[in-house]
Amino acid sequence: EAGVTQFPSHSVIEKGQTVTLRCDPISGHDNLYWYRRVMGKEIKFLLHFVKESKQDESGMPNNRFLAERTGGTYSTLKVQPAELEDSGVYFCASGSYTEAFFGQGTRLTVV
Amino acid sequence: EDQVTQSPEALRLQEGESSSLNCSYTVSGLRGLFWYRQDPGKGPEFLFTLYSAGEEKEKERLKATLTKKESFLHITAPKPEDSATYLCAVDPIQGAQKLVFGQGTRLTINP
Repeated sequence: EAGVTQFPSHSVIEKGQTVTLRCDPISGHDNLYWYRRVMGKEIKFLLHFVKESKQDESGMPNNRFLAERTGGTYSTLKVQPAELEDSGVYFCASGSYTEAFFGQGTRLTVV
Repeated sequence: EDQVTQSPEALRLQEGESSSLNCSYTVSGLRGLFWYRQDPGKGPEFLFTLYSAGEEKEKERLKATLTKKESFLHITAPKPEDSATYLCAVDPIQGAQKLVFGQGTRLTINP
């Protein structure tokens, strides 16, 4: 069974550009989570989808971040325009709160 | 504010030298406490969930325990392949299914 897959693995963009991260959860998982780890800090919650609905987006830093999950399958996280402080590793997870399966992460570097 | 603190930040052991990692937490209510293992360049890998004080869970050389204020991850006779960063996270009762992570303990086992 395929695990949680994230694309791309790495992305380097210039400040002011737009980047879209993609997450393919484990098939059949209704819950999908986005987390982020910035340099030197702990992993922090961004938002939670149940199917295609946003259940909790209290961790989203600001309105430059937009997450979608059309059709309740894969999810995208768009950052527009990117700022230097957006650099970090973005993780996606699917499953339940008792056992969440994480992807390998997307390392985003904004220069 | 919900908070998780892990200690030590880094720990270096000889193969076979048992030790414990600490996770102390401050939450308004606890729905569950989670331990994850993270290898470089990969996402967190689920190890255990603990729900109530006094609970213990074991997996190979690892045993996790929980009290009302902290959790311990005991590592017995570790091997070099146990080298990784170990993350602790809590799921507070307030809010829906979002994990609050500690910064992790980077464990190195020397052969």
